[in-house]
Amino acid sequence: AQSVTQLGSHVSVSEGALVLLRCNYSSSVPPYLFWYVQYPNQGLQLLLKYTSAATLVKGINGFEAEFKKSETSFHLTKPSAHMSDAAEYFCAVRAFRGSARQLTFGSGTQLTVLP
Amino acid sequence: EAGVTQSPTHLIKTRGQQATLRCSPISGHTSVYWYQQALGLGLQFLLWYDEGEERNRGNFPPRFSGRQFPNYSSELNVNALELEDSALYLCASSLEGTGKVYTIYFGEGSWLTVV
Repeated sequence: AQSVTQLGSHVSVSEGALVLLRCNYSSSVPPYLFWYVQYPNQGLQLLLKYTSAATLVKGINGFEAEFKKSETSFHLTKPSAHMSDAAEYFCAVRAFRGSARQLTFGSGTQLTVLP
Repeated sequence: EAGVTQSPTHLIKTRGQQATLRCSPISGHTSVYWYQQALGLGLQFLLWYDEGEERNRGNFPPRFSGRQFPNYSSELNVNALELEDSALYLCASSLEGTGKVYTIYFGEGSWLTVV
């Protein structure tokens, strides 16, 4: 079975500081990994996805993530936080064959951006 | 192009009643997924439908059920409502194809409150 673990349920950064949200995965097959963002009272929006092409994936709103097989990690980063980045972020994994092709989510990380 | 649409936005039901939530996928998408997001419990996978068939279900009791119609829209039924069923129910849709990883797009969700 595939799973992801997000380290840190709450992360606070100052505006302009580096954002680093951690995600580690567990998978017996090459994983497909995703980061989604959820703003208050809204659905989920895809930030970026890794599907075994380039290990450094660039997404929307200046976010990027690096797939590191040796560390089983897929951490999300942004060089400079903006107030509008305050939201909950979810890492997810998905199989590409079989009956378990739904997304399996981590527990989420609430990002607070301080002025 | 319209995104994933869900109705109703909010629903209040009494314990023991039944709730029906509806979802229209993005045009052309054949797969529909349902997730429950209860406070403090993260995003839990409920059901996956593709081409009118239930492909997979999460660890929920049988009183959670649904179906997918020929036009690929879907409904989620929750029978014998319990207080802990109060949650945001998210519907998502995607294209589907073995060996390919398509993006899963989410709707804004339906808030179910059981009193």
